[in-house]
Amino acid sequence: DAKTTQPTSMDCAEGRAANLPCNHSTISGNEYVYWYRQIHSQGPQYIIHGLKNNETNEMASLIITEDRKSSTLILPHATLRDTAVYYCISRSRATNKLIFGTGTLLAVQP
Amino acid sequence: DGGITQSPKYLFRKEGQNVTLSCEQNLNHDAMYWYRQDPGQGLRLIYYSQIVNDFQKGDIAEGYSVSREKKESFPLTVTSAQKNPTAFYLCASRPGLEKYNEQFFGPGTRLTVL
Repeated sequence: DAKTTQPTSMDCAEGRAANLPCNHSTISGNEYVYWYRQIHSQGPQYIIHGLKNNETNEMASLIITEDRKSSTLILPHATLRDTAVYYCISRSRATNKLIFGTGTLLAVQP
Repeated sequence: DGGITQSPKYLFRKEGQNVTLSCEQNLNHDAMYWYRQDPGQGLRLIYYSQIVNDFQKGDIAEGYSVSREKKESFPLTVTSAQKNPTAFYLCASRPGLEKYNEQFFGPGTRLTVL
């Protein structure tokens, strides 16, 4: 199962786009990339996932590089309520296990 | 309302006592998971179950036990053999493999062993 690497923390101004990077250089062809976020002392919340193609939903966009070694989660207009720890996670399609790293603490500033 | 419930939110136990954490889901999901989270860390998988009456060890199963007698319930017992039981415990569920594979998480139980 692939290991993911993320910056420990990032700041973003309210109303601006937040771009959260993730490296997953050892990811294999059948491993999805998932993004979850966790507000303090709550359960993680699913955001988006992808395999090869870029994805967009009502919460965010996921841009995956062509070689699949990295991806970027984009929150188009960050609000104060988006302050949370964001986890980039690999998932093995064979076992469906999610492998969590330590995540990125995104602080949205007013 | 459909969802995953974990109770209680906070739990205190004396060292040496076994304690069982509850996880119930009414989403009709086939798979259920237990994770442990320590301060400043990501989640680590303890046990998971793909179907009723079947479960597998995760990455840190030592000192824990589970059962899956009903589809909607997946209780976790923290035994006295677990060396550092104080942690935030999260339960999750997921539809079967043939369906959309997002994992839904419960609100968590914070266990403190005194």
